[in-house]
Amino acid sequence: GAVVSQHPSWVICKSGTSVKIECRSLDFQATTMFWYRQFPKQSLMLMATSNEGSKATYEQGVEKDKFLINHASLTLSTLTVTSAHPEDSSFYICSARDPQGSSYNEQFFGPGTRLTVL
Amino acid sequence: GNSVTQMEGPVTLSEEAFLTINCTYTATGYPSLFWYVQYPGEGLQLLLKATKADDKGSNKGFEATYRKETTSFHLEKGSVQVSDSAVYFCALRIYNQGGKLIFGQGTELSVKP
Repeated sequence: GAVVSQHPSWVICKSGTSVKIECRSLDFQATTMFWYRQFPKQSLMLMATSNEGSKATYEQGVEKDKFLINHASLTLSTLTVTSAHPEDSSFYICSARDPQGSSYNEQFFGPGTRLTVL
Repeated sequence: GNSVTQMEGPVTLSEEAFLTINCTYTATGYPSLFWYVQYPGEGLQLLLKATKADDKGSNKGFEATYRKETTSFHLEKGSVQVSDSAVYFCALRIYNQGGKLIFGQGTELSVKP
């Protein structure tokens, strides 16, 4: 099946610094990737939809200047948390859609990145 | 609006017990319905899906039937194993909304030997 990787799997940073998280589709080209945030014991909340070669579409309440998304190629999307603060600590998960796959529109999920801001 | 509600966990069962995890939804359109599973330390994996009313999705012994009249998609398994211990998420996707998934809050299942 389609494989999506994320890097890093966990990161600890100081308050005020920026952190970049990568999401890669390893064996398919993804025109669309999604970024989610998951709090402990809670559901995944969609943050933004990332389309290759165009600006990301952010969900209501998500600060686009704080969570910068770049989808520069068909296999890579990045999420940069700028000037991170402790309240940004969370589990960030990406998914990618395989438009050529047998299950069109199915999303394949990465393993997630645990961000801890001190 | 669109939303998904799952039964609260954690659910603790003995091996070979019957499992039901309730899921109900509200949707402005005609949704496709999904169950995802998240094993410890891993990403979400699609467990099963149903795209229209009365469809039954099944995989690995798990089943769920799309019930439009009760707006439900309950997950069932006749005999759980320790390896089924995970968090289960019910989700919906509305046609023509860019493929976005809306998730329930997740239900943690713990199966004891």
